[in-house]
Amino acid sequence: AQKVTQAQTEISVVEKEDVTLDCVYETRDTTYYLFWYKQPPSGELVFLIRRNSFDEQNEISGRYSWNFQKSTSSFNFTITASQVVDSAVYFCALSEARSGGGADGLTFGKGTHLIIQP
Amino acid sequence: KAGVTQTPRYLIKTRGQQVTLSCSPISGHRSVSWYQQTPGQGLQFLFEYFSETQRNKGNFPGRFSGRQFSNSRSEMNVSTLELGDSALYLCASSSGYYTGELFFGEGSRLTVL
Repeated sequence: AQKVTQAQTEISVVEKEDVTLDCVYETRDTTYYLFWYKQPPSGELVFLIRRNSFDEQNEISGRYSWNFQKSTSSFNFTITASQVVDSAVYFCALSEARSGGGADGLTFGKGTHLIIQP
Repeated sequence: KAGVTQTPRYLIKTRGQQVTLSCSPISGHRSVSWYQQTPGQGLQFLFEYFSETQRNKGNFPGRFSGRQFSNSRSEMNVSTLELGDSALYLCASSSGYYTGELFFGEGSRLTVL
């Protein structure tokens, strides 16, 4: 069975600080996908990134960066120079590929509530 | 491009009633997935429809059902509502050819009294 653990329930930092959100996953499959989503107060989940299990390259997108390490089954997310607008709940998710194409539904972590104080 | 539209946004029902929620995916998307979000259980996958067929299903009782129409719009139905069904129900659309990028709607918040 697949599982995603986000141990940090809530993180509060002051604006402009860097912050890292942790994500640890469990899966028996060799082919899987990892995601990060952002959920602002409006409720809509916003896609941030997808990584497949064969691509361990780290990625940077503006102030966001992701560190994928298969050896530790982790997919951590760092926000550099945080801003108040980054305040939201962030979810890490996992999906296992299916032999017939497509993938299983996403298994989400419990989320990390990030509060950026001005 | 219009986003994913879910209706109604809010609704209140009583135990034993049934409810139908609607989701209009992004134009051209053929896959619609449904998720339930509660404070206790978090986000849980309900089912996915692709080209009017249920392609994948989560671990929910048979009271939860869905369907997809030829225009890719989807509905989910919950019969014999229980207090524990109170939740935010999120719909997500994708092209269906797996890229993993799901586009979510703002959800339908169901309260069961």
